[in-house]
Amino acid sequence: GESVGLHLPTLSVQEGDNSIINCAYSNSASDYFIWYKQESGKGPQFIIDIRSNMDKRQGQRVTVLLNKTVKHLSLQIAATQPGDSAVYFCAEKPTGGGADGLTFGKGTHLIIQP
Amino acid sequence: EAQVTQNPRYLITVTGKKLTVTCSQNMNHEYMSWYRQDPGLGLRQIYYSMNVEVTDKGDVPEGYKVSRKEKRNFPLILESPSPNQTSLYFCASSSRGGRQYFGPGTRLTVL
Repeated sequence: GESVGLHLPTLSVQEGDNSIINCAYSNSASDYFIWYKQESGKGPQFIIDIRSNMDKRQGQRVTVLLNKTVKHLSLQIAATQPGDSAVYFCAEKPTGGGADGLTFGKGTHLIIQP
Repeated sequence: EAQVTQNPRYLITVTGKKLTVTCSQNMNHEYMSWYRQDPGLGLRQIYYSMNVEVTDKGDVPEGYKVSRKEKRNFPLILESPSPNQTSLYFCASSSRGGRQYFGPGTRLTVL
């Protein structure tokens, strides 16, 4: 069935480097995408979102890129810090999806090396 | 402070003993959902509610019940828990078309 997936279960980066976390989705009817961060022992926290009429959106130290042609979503974190260590999930919402209708990927664990 | 609260945070129980996990939000959100999170499977939606007295099944509803008698509360009920319901549970809420806010999670162990 259609699903949201991430390319890598674990990503290790050096502190201060930029991180790029990727996500592939297969539902071409999705019109809303979100990145969540989940720290150990906590619930997922919203990072940034993007709608399908955009291809880039920037927040504080984070950028989300959406390539609808290849159904690819990425999260870029600039100057990675120890506090960025967490599991990152992408989620998609198909047009007309029930309630929130979000489908989540399985997550990428970002590990920050000192 | 805008938040979603869940209780209890941790629960160990035995097979067949009915339990309820409460969820409450103070943001006047219409939509509320329950998810379970298991290693290697990510977040899977159990049930959701679009408004008071309106609930519907998510991807993995078997063995669970919910109710939405008030806008702020969305309890998850396990009438007869089984060991395969051992998991980490999250409640979430959102406004129409908005992003979801998640609770802190409830870690349930069924022996």
